[in-house]
Amino acid sequence: GAGVSQSPRYKVAKRGQDVALRCDPISGHVSLFWYQQALGQGPEFLTYFQNEAQLDKSGLPSDRFFAERPEGSVSTLKIQRTQQEDSAVYLCASSLAQRGATNEKLFFGSGTQLSVL
Amino acid sequence: AQSVTQLGSHVSVSEGALVLLRCNYSSSVPPYLFWYVQYPNQGLQLLLKYTSAATLVKGINGFEAEFKKSETSFHLTKPSAHMSDAAEYFCAVTPRGGGATNKLIFGTGTLLAVQP
Repeated sequence: GAGVSQSPRYKVAKRGQDVALRCDPISGHVSLFWYQQALGQGPEFLTYFQNEAQLDKSGLPSDRFFAERPEGSVSTLKIQRTQQEDSAVYLCASSLAQRGATNEKLFFGSGTQLSVL
Repeated sequence: AQSVTQLGSHVSVSEGALVLLRCNYSSSVPPYLFWYVQYPNQGLQLLLKYTSAATLVKGINGFEAEFKKSETSFHLTKPSAHMSDAAEYFCAVTPRGGGATNKLIFGTGTLLAVQP
């Protein structure tokens, strides 16, 4: 596709429910990032993939958060037993650059807005 | 740890007036610096970036930013605001050095309103 695509655009979950958020990066992009953006805040790093390898998951807030990118393209962020504090916009971004190429451009999706009731 | 501070969560200017959005970074080694813009219901879009070439960086839509090491600043400016500039603006850094993922560390954002 022309850009990074995320689905669903909006997700409402009951507390305790599991959710799965999908990211389709730009075709051929090696790097994929997930960010969490709480209301009124800047995006915060969650995890990073280089192709199918998850090289950095230091930003995942708890073991309820899990991300995968099994074939090096589409990625899924899963949140188990959702809590109200998980309510945020989850952003996905991709880049042609490999790890350490800090001057490459990131392309962001529009995000998935998760509301946990 | 790297961080960025954006002074002013809300800035309001008149159409045609100067836009100045402030960003300061905290790092002993100057990082790579970025400005992103986020329009409602859209993804973040790169405005400009500083990677150690020229200290005055020109971006899209008439925006520019100047890197000042002595002030640890990277303020964003535009000479004349347009209604279409109304959006949220984020300053971000990524550390220099090999082996690091190029994850961005964002400020809290500045919401720019443009009055007619």
